Amino acid sequence: ETGVTQTPRHLVMGMTNKKSLKCEQHLGHNAMYWYKQSAKKPLELMFVYSLEERVENNSVPSRFSPECPNSSHLFLHLHTLQPEDSALYLCASSQDQGARAKNIQYFGAGTRLSVL
Amino acid sequence: KQEVTQIPAALSVPEGENLVLNCSFTDSAIYNLQWFRQDPGKGLTSLLLIQSSQREQTSGRLNASLDKSSGRSTLYIAASQPGDSATYLCAGIAGAYSGAGSYQLTFGKGTKLSVIP
Repeated sequence: ETGVTQTPRHLVMGMTNKKSLKCEQHLGHNAMYWYKQSAKKPLELMFVYSLEERVENNSVPSRFSPECPNSSHLFLHLHTLQPEDSALYLCASSQDQGARAKNIQYFGAGTRLSVL
Repeated sequence: KQEVTQIPAALSVPEGENLVLNCSFTDSAIYNLQWFRQDPGKGLTSLLLIQSSQREQTSGRLNASLDKSSGRSTLYIAASQPGDSATYLCAGIAGAYSGAGSYQLTFGKGTKLSVIP
């Protein structure tokens, strides 16, 4: 176990549904991330919350909405998704010490999302 | 923008062989490089982290090196075992971003390793 827990592990949803992915880290970290892993593509960063600052990848559609209520929890709210959004969504956390060289990210097991 | 390339995309070796996985990156202003392992349908497990000031890191049968000047990193696996079969990903934190985004990892597509008993 990496200390980063994602739920659910699998999710099937229709294009009109609203669902949320949850991530919880038990490592005392202060930064959390959402990554998307599509078939035959590199993992791609979607959102970062670090020291309460949010950064997002400009290519992420607005149908994905992150929420970080505290440093231990991260959500990804989904609505009116498209079939091409089917992918593995991975959450990660790290301790932001202000030194990029020492930043180690720990990943959860991911949520496998299928949009029908 | 940092780009990370991993070659080969897939590799099959007999058990017991020593092997090298390659990773190249375009931005030499890299702060660290991390090697991960991903089993099918699973998340990522961090194997080794090499900081920009370091040249290599070792953990058990694994040794990772970093050459910033040539934009390359290698992961050496000694005496491979069937349990090593997985996809290996390299990812780096580059200098192109600022603020909270400066911690984002740029990933390669991975090398899928199969170790045949």
